[in-house]
Amino acid sequence: EAGVAQSPRYKIIEKRQSVAFWCNPISGHATLYWYQQILGQGPKLLIQFQNNGVVDDSQLPKDRFSAERLKGVDSTLKIQPAKLEDSAVYLCASSLVTVTGTGGGEQYFGPGTRLTVT
Amino acid sequence: SQQGEEDPQALSIQEGENATMNCSYKTSINNLQWYRQNSGRGLVHLILIRSNEREKHSGRLRVTLDTSKKSSSLLITASRAADTASYFCATPWNQGGKLIFGQGTELSVKP
Repeated sequence: EAGVAQSPRYKIIEKRQSVAFWCNPISGHATLYWYQQILGQGPKLLIQFQNNGVVDDSQLPKDRFSAERLKGVDSTLKIQPAKLEDSAVYLCASSLVTVTGTGGGEQYFGPGTRLTVT
Repeated sequence: SQQGEEDPQALSIQEGENATMNCSYKTSINNLQWYRQNSGRGLVHLILIRSNEREKHSGRLRVTLDTSKKSSSLLITASRAADTASYFCATPWNQGGKLIFGQGTELSVKP
């Protein structure tokens, strides 16, 4: 079974530039998550999709971050404009759990995209 | 907000020794999960323990859960250099699947 795919693996941009990350979850996984992991910290959820609908985006800085999951499969996360504090690893994960299910099941993570904002 | 907190933040042991990491959390949970992250890689799910379980084993891993103390521990027996990684506990925030991760324990196993 193929795992969660992410690209690019690394990205270096200057502040105020824009950047986009792509994620392809495990086939059949309805739920997709984007996490931000700052060096030395645990991952923090930015946004959660159930199919192509947003379940939770309470911690997404909506003035600069946006995400979409068209057709309920692939997803893109965009930052525009980037700030220095956006330097982090952006992790995509997927799971079988549904909003109406028992919740909080195992999540499968991609390798992440390491973003450096200079 | 941070739900889980791991202790210690860093742990260095010799190959063959056991490693114990602890996690404390704040609110009621229906399960607690442990993940491993190798340097520069994504997280890998290790084990899930439900709130009605007190102990669970998987290979060299042993996880305990004490809901009265809101704490969990992860024991890795007979550690290997390949166990060098960061270990995170995670708890569900709601029924929708959102996980809240702790800060992690950085384990270094020296050959």
